[in-house]
Amino acid sequence: DAEITQSPRHKITETGRQVTLACHQTWNHNNMFWYRQDLGHGLRLIHYSYGVQDTNKGEVSDGYSVSRSNTEDLPLTLESAASSQTSVYFCASSVLAGGPEDTQYFGPGTRLTVL
Amino acid sequence: KNQVEQSPQSLIILEGKNCTLQCNYTVSPFSNLRWYKQDTGRGPVSLTIMTFSENTKSNGRYTATLDADTKQSSLHITASQLSDSASYICVVTPSGGSYIPTFGRGTSLIVHP
Repeated sequence: DAEITQSPRHKITETGRQVTLACHQTWNHNNMFWYRQDLGHGLRLIHYSYGVQDTNKGEVSDGYSVSRSNTEDLPLTLESAASSQTSVYFCASSVLAGGPEDTQYFGPGTRLTVL
Repeated sequence: KNQVEQSPQSLIILEGKNCTLQCNYTVSPFSNLRWYKQDTGRGPVSLTIMTFSENTKSNGRYTATLDADTKQSSLHITASQLSDSASYICVVTPSGGSYIPTFGRGTSLIVHP
């Protein structure tokens, strides 16, 4: 069955270290998204991509970067981890943007702790 | 700024009872409105999706309604089950532009036996 996976599921790192979170989907979806979820906030968009070589900044992109070299993967990199980036990170993908078929399918999440 | 407000923030009900969750939004014009269910420790899963021209959409015991004039949506859960305990998130996507959705903070529902 097609799916979307994230790795690692849990990560503890130190302030200042570079961290990369992986996201892989087998649906062949063009659109992929990264969100963070914190208590008291809804899901907030970090970066998104509408196809290979396409990347865009979301609402809370500072300190994060992404690259899209193929359809299946959108890794999220924290260039220099900060304690404020302790959060649960979700990757999602969708077939279309907007319209009645615009349903995002979410991965299981990665819990990141920055000490 | 586009906003999606959900109420109540949390809700506790007994198994078998019905409940209704509310969503008010300012996104306009909008492409679609979705309700997601998020179990603890899991990613959100889509329950319903409605375009601006739809008034209601059902998925089993879940029924979503939409009033585009008042910019309100509700999610009604019938005959609640313990497995309905979760966070329910309202998401509104604007039409045109980048189609970036706005997420509500969710309603936390607890169903007690």
